[in-house]
Amino acid sequence: KQEVTQIPAALSVPEGENLVLNCSFTDSAIYNLQWFRQDPGKGLTSLLLIQSSQREQTSGRLNASLDKSSGRSTLYIAASQPGDSATYLCAVIAGNNRKLIWGLGTSLAVNP
Amino acid sequence: EAQVTQNPRYLITVTGKKLTVTCSQNMNHEYMSWYRQDPGLGLRQIYYSMNVEVTDKGDVPEGYKVSRKEKRNFPLILESPSPNQTSLYFCASHLQGEAFFGQGTRLTVV
Repeated sequence: KQEVTQIPAALSVPEGENLVLNCSFTDSAIYNLQWFRQDPGKGLTSLLLIQSSQREQTSGRLNASLDKSSGRSTLYIAASQPGDSATYLCAVIAGNNRKLIWGLGTSLAVNP
Repeated sequence: EAQVTQNPRYLITVTGKKLTVTCSQNMNHEYMSWYRQDPGLGLRQIYYSMNVEVTDKGDVPEGYKVSRKEKRNFPLILESPSPNQTSLYFCASHLQGEAFFGQGTRLTVV
C-alpha cells in the first residue's frame, strides 16, 4: 500500500533562508508527483508537477526533484519570504484510477 | 480561464438534511474526483469518475453519492448528512496525471 510521508511536519525559518522540504513514498510505481501549497482554510494551489520520467521541475524560486528509485522528492525554496508561509503538501499519483495519495504536509512559517 | 468551480464555499446544515455540493470544470477533462480533508488524516479520496456515467468508490465513500451525467459536472450528494461528515471538501479535475482543484467547500453538520 502506497504511503506518503512529509518531514518535517513544521518548520520555522527567518526570511531569506534557503530551505528544503522532504517527501517520501513507499512504492516507486507512480505516474507523477505533485507539490501543492495550502493557505489556512483555503484551497490547494498546484506548485509543480514532476512526471515519473523527469528528475526535476523549476518554477521561479521553487525547484522540485524526484528520485523514484529511492522513493523521495524534495521541494527547494530559495530566498524564502514571509509570503511563502503556508502548508506544503506533496501527492503521488498512482494506480489505474490515477488516485492522489497525500502526505500530511509541512507547515512553513517564514519570519520577517 | 481554466478552472474548477465548487459551490457553495461554506455550508452549515443539520443532521439528515440532504445536500449537494456542485463541481464544474471547463477544461473538458474526463477524470474528476472528490476528496475530503481532515486534521491529522490528510486528504482522502471519496469518489472518482473516469468519464461520463462512469463512477467508482474511493477510500471513504460511505455516506456519499455522486453522479456524472455530463463531462463538466460532478456533484457530491450527501443524502443524510451526519456530524462525522463535517470536513473540508475538494473537487478535482485531472489531465494526464496532473490535478486541478476547486477552492474547497467547508461543510459543518450540526
